[in-house]
Amino acid sequence: DTGVSQDPRHKITKRGQNVTFRCDPISEHNRLYWYRQTLGQGPEFLTYFQNEAQLEKSRLLSDRFSAERPKGSFSTLEIQRTEQGDSAMYLCASSNRQGAFSGNTIYFGEGSWLTVV
Amino acid sequence: DQQVKQNSPSLSVQEGRISILNCDYTNSMFDYFLWYKKYPAEGPTFLISISSIKDKNEDGRFTVFLNKSAKHLSLHIVPSQPGDSAVYFCAASARGGNTPLVFGKGTRLSVIA
Repeated sequence: DTGVSQDPRHKITKRGQNVTFRCDPISEHNRLYWYRQTLGQGPEFLTYFQNEAQLEKSRLLSDRFSAERPKGSFSTLEIQRTEQGDSAMYLCASSNRQGAFSGNTIYFGEGSWLTVV
Repeated sequence: DQQVKQNSPSLSVQEGRISILNCDYTNSMFDYFLWYKKYPAEGPTFLISISSIKDKNEDGRFTVFLNKSAKHLSLHIVPSQPGDSAVYFCAASARGGNTPLVFGKGTRLSVIA
């Protein structure tokens, strides 16, 4: 059983450049989440998908952030025109939501570190 | 406004003793709660969860207690081991776990040998 896989694990980019992170969820998990974590804080929710449908995107930090899950499997998170404040760990997670009141344990990947210089 | 609060940034416990990590929440719609452990430079690892229909859930050395009237939950680790040293996050969800998790800021646990 492979866990949630994220790529790249580390990315250093210059301010103004675009970056893209990829996430491969646990196979057959229907939900995929993106979170961001900065130093001293808990993970902060950004967006999530159920299969290929993006159910919530209002928490994306600005219009420079976008996410896709084109075939309901892997997902990408893109940050355009990066700023130094975007430096953080970007976490992907997945779950297999079965139905109401069945709980929903989400499993995280190792994270992708972004440093904007 | 923080909906999930972990008011102790850090906790030190001797090996073999009990570790108690606390979490408070403000949103009365939350009905599913989880604890995660995180090592540096790694993603959070799921530990244990509890639904609001229960007040206790055990898994090995880990027990989570939920007090709905106080909007408070706690994680007990007995006995504590040096490998338990990590940051612990409390997280909450609504509608039977159907909404994305909201996390606290974490508590750093140090277990001293």
